[in-house]
Amino acid sequence: ETGVTQTPRHLVMGMTNKKSLKCEQHLGHNAMYWYKQSAKKPLELMFVYNFKEQTENNSVPSRFSPECPNSSHLFLHLHTLQPEDSALYLCASSQEHSGNTIYFGEGSWLTVV
Amino acid sequence: AQSVTQPDIHITVSEGASLELRCNYSYGATPYLFWYVQSPGQGLQLLLKYFSGDTLVQGIKGFEAEFKRSQSSFNLRKPSVHWSDAAEYFCAVGAGETSGSRLTFGEGTQLTVNP
Repeated sequence: ETGVTQTPRHLVMGMTNKKSLKCEQHLGHNAMYWYKQSAKKPLELMFVYNFKEQTENNSVPSRFSPECPNSSHLFLHLHTLQPEDSALYLCASSQEHSGNTIYFGEGSWLTVV
Repeated sequence: AQSVTQPDIHITVSEGASLELRCNYSYGATPYLFWYVQSPGQGLQLLLKYFSGDTLVQGIKGFEAEFKRSQSSFNLRKPSVHWSDAAEYFCAVGAGETSGSRLTFGEGTQLTVNP
């Protein structure tokens, strides 16, 4: 148990569906992240939120839409995805300005059919 | 820009043998360095980190790593590997106290442990 909880752990969706991934951190951190992990590729940082404000968007397609309603919760809204978006999506959190160690959740496995 | 290289994509060792996983980084100043482990179907778990001070750092599960500035390396070691250590290992480098959002990860080393 890392203190970062992701739901659902597994998701299968069609290309026309709309779904959301949820992340909650219980560590009192002020920064949250979405990473994408595809087979045979390095971890890709998608979005960063500091104090609920988005501070980074690494050229992520608009079919991925993040939402951070407060410092403890982070969502990734998904719509009209492509099969190549199938991957493990990892949420993480850290305390900025305190060494910035990132703690990861267990991930949400997404399959787009 | 910072970068991380893990030269070994896959390593196989026998249970009880010693282990060393290599990590080389590129960064102009003193880096923040991390090792994470990922078991199949799981997220990444922090093994250890180096920010400053003693260049030999101890982590969880009996792992240690040594920061060598002259070689730009941060290799991970374990004296005696257990079957449960089979997993993928990621080295990461950050650029300082505000660097959490800018951790750069290596491509990972897959460790197989033979009985």
